[in-house]
This record gives sequence, structure tokens and C-alpha cells, in this order.
Amino acid sequence: SQQGEEDPQALSIQEGENATMNCSYKTSINNLQWYRQNSGRGLVHLILIRSNEREKHSGRLRVTLDTSKKSSSLLITASRAADTASYFCATDLSSNTGKLIFGQGTTLQVKP
Amino acid sequence: NAGVTQTPKFQVLKTGQSMTLQCAQDMNHEYMSWYRQDPGMGLRLIHYSVGAGITDQGEVPNGYNVSRSTTEDFPLRLLSAAPSQTSVYFCASSDLVGNTIYFGEGSWLTVV
Repeated sequence: SQQGEEDPQALSIQEGENATMNCSYKTSINNLQWYRQNSGRGLVHLILIRSNEREKHSGRLRVTLDTSKKSSSLLITASRAADTASYFCATDLSSNTGKLIFGQGTTLQVKP
Repeated sequence: NAGVTQTPKFQVLKTGQSMTLQCAQDMNHEYMSWYRQDPGMGLRLIHYSVGAGITDQGEVPNGYNVSRSTTEDFPLRLLSAAPSQTSVYFCASSDLVGNTIYFGEGSWLTVV
């Protein structure tokens, strides 16, 4: 199976609610990145968190990393209809090759 | 600043035909890579390059060739297209290994 596995695969919430997505991985990492992909578009970088960091914030986004559990979570607070997209975690392995291994993604639908 | 530019955006090929997907970046990034994305899945790494003249294989390299003669360009060649290569292809670049990766808008390829 892939290095990054995301949970849930699909999430549907009402505008204003919070959305939490989780990512688990198997091997040691250099960093973990979260991306958003709108339907039919390329990926947009959201947050990069390094292996020695535990939490990062960017606007309404909060990412946590627990290297002991090999897991990360992405929290989107006060969600908006425009947040509707697929969200992917990607791990940059410690081999320092720069290769990103992507999870299968979480599809988020925010209903107005 | 154009970022990462991919051409063509859409292409239909017959089985056995060859073609090249073009990728150019204007950010003077050393690291470039190609991914493919199949329905309901995350991205899988095809080939990557850490600088001009240097390329290496990713997770799914079979059926694809790459070259990196300049820092700006990283073309992906399909020598003999197969229906299994029907996918969306994304080119990406980064200034340093382990830093944020920027993606192009994607190239939709159908092999019939």
C-alpha cells in the first residue's frame, strides 16, 4: 500500500463547521506536505511541516505532526463552500531525494 | 511569473504512437519531477531530476523517458503509448530538495 494513507476518503460538512483530515505514513520522513486540488486543476501547496515540528498554522489551516505515531492531521476551521476540493498529504522521505509520496486524498464537500 | 507550464493540456493518442509532454519552469528551480494521477488516486512519481544532466526513476517509470538538458525544461517522452498510460500528468518543481513543490496545471492524456 502507499506510504501515505488518508482518512476519511470523503467528508461532507456544512459551511461554518470544522473539517479534520488525517494522514498516516509508514517510514521516517524529512517533511510532510498538504496540498489541495480543485476538480480538473493542478495541486496547490498548503502547508509544509518538518519532522522536528509538531504544529503549524496558516490562516484557517492547522497542521499537526506526530512522528511517534507516524501521523498528521489537517484542520480547516470555519469552512467555506470554496474549500470544497480534494486534499492530499505527501511525505518527503528521509532519503533526501526530494521524492514526494502522495496519499489517495480526502474529498471534502462543504455545503452552503 | 508563469511558474510551471505544461503543454499540451489535452492529447489523444493511438496505441503505439509516441509523444512528448513539455514542462518548463521559470523559477530557476533545480528539482523537477513528473507525476501521474489516475482516477480516485493520489499522484505517483514517474521520474525526477535534481539538476541539469541528472535524472532518476520514481515509482512508475516504465514506458517513460526523460532528459534534463537545461535547468528550465524537463520533457516527458512516451515512446510507444499504451492504454494503461491514459492519465493526468503533472510536472512539478522545487528550489531545494525538501522544500515546497510547485505543480503545473496538468496534461490530460488519453490513449485509444
